[in-house]
Amino acid sequence: EDQVTQSPEALRLQEGESSSLNCSYTVSGLRGLFWYRQDPGKGPEFLFTLYSAGEEKEKERLKATLTKKESFLHITAPKPEDSATYLCAVQEGPGGTSYGKLTFGQGTILTVHP
Amino acid sequence: KAGVTQTPRYLIKTRGQQVTLSCSPISGHRSVSWYQQTPGQGLQFLFEYFSETQRNKGNFPGRFSGRQFSNSRSEMNVSTLELGDSALYLCASSLKAGGPGNIQYFGAGTRLSVL
Repeated sequence: EDQVTQSPEALRLQEGESSSLNCSYTVSGLRGLFWYRQDPGKGPEFLFTLYSAGEEKEKERLKATLTKKESFLHITAPKPEDSATYLCAVQEGPGGTSYGKLTFGQGTILTVHP
Repeated sequence: KAGVTQTPRYLIKTRGQQVTLSCSPISGHRSVSWYQQTPGQGLQFLFEYFSETQRNKGNFPGRFSGRQFSNSRSEMNVSTLELGDSALYLCASSLKAGGPGNIQYFGAGTRLSVL
């Protein structure tokens, strides 16, 4: 069964203080790893998809990286508006029993103080 | 381009009742997935529909069911509601079921409270 573990559960940063969020996963044949951002009372907003180990993607202050066992979401010089819950999810490849569905981690609640 | 639309946004029901939630996917998207989000369990997969057929199902009791129409719109039904069904129900649409590059885009969700 696919498993996704995110750490830390909560992270408090000062504005401008860079840090990283971790997503460890176990899946039978990774089809893709996804990062989403969720604000209170809203649905998850898509950020990145990573497909193979060594791949990196960037968007503004965010950079996502992928290895064979985990992914990191690096936040450089965060601002208060980056405060949100960040969710990691994996999608199993063909041949698996859960092909197509997303298996989510519990999320990391990020708070950036001005 | 309009995003995923879920209606209603909020619902209050009592135990034993049934409820139907609606989801309109992004135009051109043919796959719709449903998830339940609770503080304790996080986001859990309910089921996925593609071309009016259920392609995948999560570990939920038979009280949870869904369907998809020819225009790709989807409905989810929960019968005999229990207190534990209180949650945010999220719908996500994607171009196709599974496959590389298949990104799921989420709606704002329906907040269901069971009293």
